[in-house]
Parts: sequence; C-alpha cells; structure tokens
Amino acid sequence: NAGVTQTPKFRVLKTGQSMTLLCAQDMNHEYMYWYRQDPGMGLRLIHYSVGEGTTAKGEVPDGYNVSRLKKQNFLLGLESAAPSQTSVYFCASRQPGRTGYTFGSGTRLTVV
Amino acid sequence: GESVGLHLPTLSVQEGDNSIINCAYSNSASDYFIWYKQESGKGPQFIIDIRSNMDKRQGQRVTVLLNKTVKHLSLQIAATQPGDSAVYFCAGTNAGNMLTFGGGTRLMVKP
Repeated sequence: NAGVTQTPKFRVLKTGQSMTLLCAQDMNHEYMYWYRQDPGMGLRLIHYSVGEGTTAKGEVPDGYNVSRLKKQNFLLGLESAAPSQTSVYFCASRQPGRTGYTFGSGTRLTVV
Repeated sequence: GESVGLHLPTLSVQEGDNSIINCAYSNSASDYFIWYKQESGKGPQFIIDIRSNMDKRQGQRVTVLLNKTVKHLSLQIAATQPGDSAVYFCAGTNAGNMLTFGGGTRLMVKP
C-alpha cells in the first residue's frame, strides 16, 4: 500500500555536487513524472516518462537528467547542482486514460 | 500563453462555513481539470476532477464547477473542517496533455 515512494526526503548539496533522486511506485503505472515546487508557485514539470525505457522533457528540464530503466522506478539526476535547483521535488505516476496523478511525499533539496 | 491561476493566495473561513476557492485558466482546449490538496510537508493529494464537457461534479463535501464561457473553475467545500486546512491547487491539461498547475490558495480554517 506504499503508492509512490521518494528517497531521500531531505538533502543538502554543495554547488557542483551531483546526486540522484529515486522515485519508486508499486501501482504498475505506465506514466511517471518529476516536478519541482518553489515557494508561491505551482508545480512545474521537469521530465516525464510514458513507459519503461522512454523519457521526455517537460517545462523546466535544464540541469536535470532522468532514466526509466525499470517500469517501477524513475530517477532524477543533477550532474552539477546549482543554488537555483534548491526546491522541493515531487514524483508522480498515473495510468494512461486516468486523470488521477499519485504523488510522492517530496524531496526537499537545498544547494548551498 | 497557457496558464492556470488562482484568484486569492489565502482564504480564511470559520469552521462549519462553506469555502469557495476559485481558479482561472487560459487554455480553452483543456480536456479536464483537477483539484489537489496539499498539506504541509506532504505531496499533493487528488480531490476531484472534472471533464471539460461537464459543468458540475460533486464528491464527498466537495463540488467543482466549471464555467467554460469565462474560463473559470471553482472548488466548493461544504461545512469546512480544521482538517481541510491546506493549500489547494487547480490544474488543467495543456496542449501536450500535461497538467499545468496554478500557484495555490492557502485555506485557513478558524475554530
């Protein structure tokens, strides 16, 4: 009954460091998404995937890479973190034809 | 450009009163709209959705109204409870069938 699980929940990076955020879902959903949420703003789409082995750019993809090697996992990578990437990151998944996105609880990332 | 926005950043209501949260959108081609609730430290939680060919949809204590003429969406919460305190987002599909989120309205329920 886990739904969408994100790890880690919190992380502090120094500028220039790299890291990977992991998203795992146990609902057999085809579509997965990575969003970022900044204060006073709605969620903005970074990258998304419509199936295992496929990825596509969203609204704000610069500075991020993603991989979907397994259907249940969607990884978000930051190769060289910048302070502008300080944000809360949310992963979501859904089935094609269904409107409901299931969100994870978020990863709060601070880049200093 | 496409946008989904909310009219008020904060809404304060008395416990037991009805709440109305409003949202304006620009993409008349959106297929559906969704309302999400986000509590502090948590991810957005699906509340209710409405297809663009509908005017109204009701759930448990919530009603969503869609006025396509003026591109306006509202979420009504009946008998607001302290547990309803959260940030509420509306979202609509864009040209690529992706969701575009508004900035959010914070609902505060006074006891």
